[in-house]
Amino acid sequence: DAEITQSPRHKITETGRQVTLACHQTWNHNNMFWYRQDLGHGLRLIHYSYGVQDTNKGEVSDGYSVSRSNTEDLPLTLESAASSQTSVYFCASSESNGPGDTQYFGPGTRLTVL
Amino acid sequence: AQSVTQPDIHITVSEGASLELRCNYSYGATPYLFWYVQSPGQGLQLLLKYFSGDTLVQGIKGFEAEFKRSQSSFNLRKPSVHWSDAAEYFCAVVLNTGFQKLVFGTGTRLLVSP
Repeated sequence: DAEITQSPRHKITETGRQVTLACHQTWNHNNMFWYRQDLGHGLRLIHYSYGVQDTNKGEVSDGYSVSRSNTEDLPLTLESAASSQTSVYFCASSESNGPGDTQYFGPGTRLTVL
Repeated sequence: AQSVTQPDIHITVSEGASLELRCNYSYGATPYLFWYVQSPGQGLQLLLKYFSGDTLVQGIKGFEAEFKRSQSSFNLRKPSVHWSDAAEYFCAVVLNTGFQKLVFGTGTRLLVSP
């Protein structure tokens, strides 16, 4: 079955280190998204991509970057991890650009920055 | 500012009782409306969505939601709750701008008592 996976599922790192979270989907979806989930905030959009070589900033993009070199993957990089980036990160994908299209979510990565 | 409000942080319901989770949005026009469920340690799964037409929408797992334009609400309901419904529920909207940016509420955690 087609799916969306994230790795690692748990990560502990130190302040100042570069961290990359992987997201891989096998649906061949054009659109991919990264969210972070924090208590009291729900999920907030970090970056999104509507296709290969396309990336866009979301609501909380400072300190994060993404690149899209193929359809299946959208890795999220924290250039210099900060304690404020301790969170649960979710990747999602969708087939089309329509505002009502369903986004399918991965299982999440719990990141702790010490 | 545009926002989605879920006024209840926690709700406890007895198994077999009915459930209603509240969601209000503040947008000028009718957005696309979604309800997602997140089981412990899992990603988000779409329960149902509303674009237009019949204001009572049926979803998976026996859930339904009713759109009320006059109240800017999209409340989620289930006539009889099962223990497996214990989870966190998120209301989300996408503006009818052609872009697929989900804006989430802060979530409601449902506890089911025996």
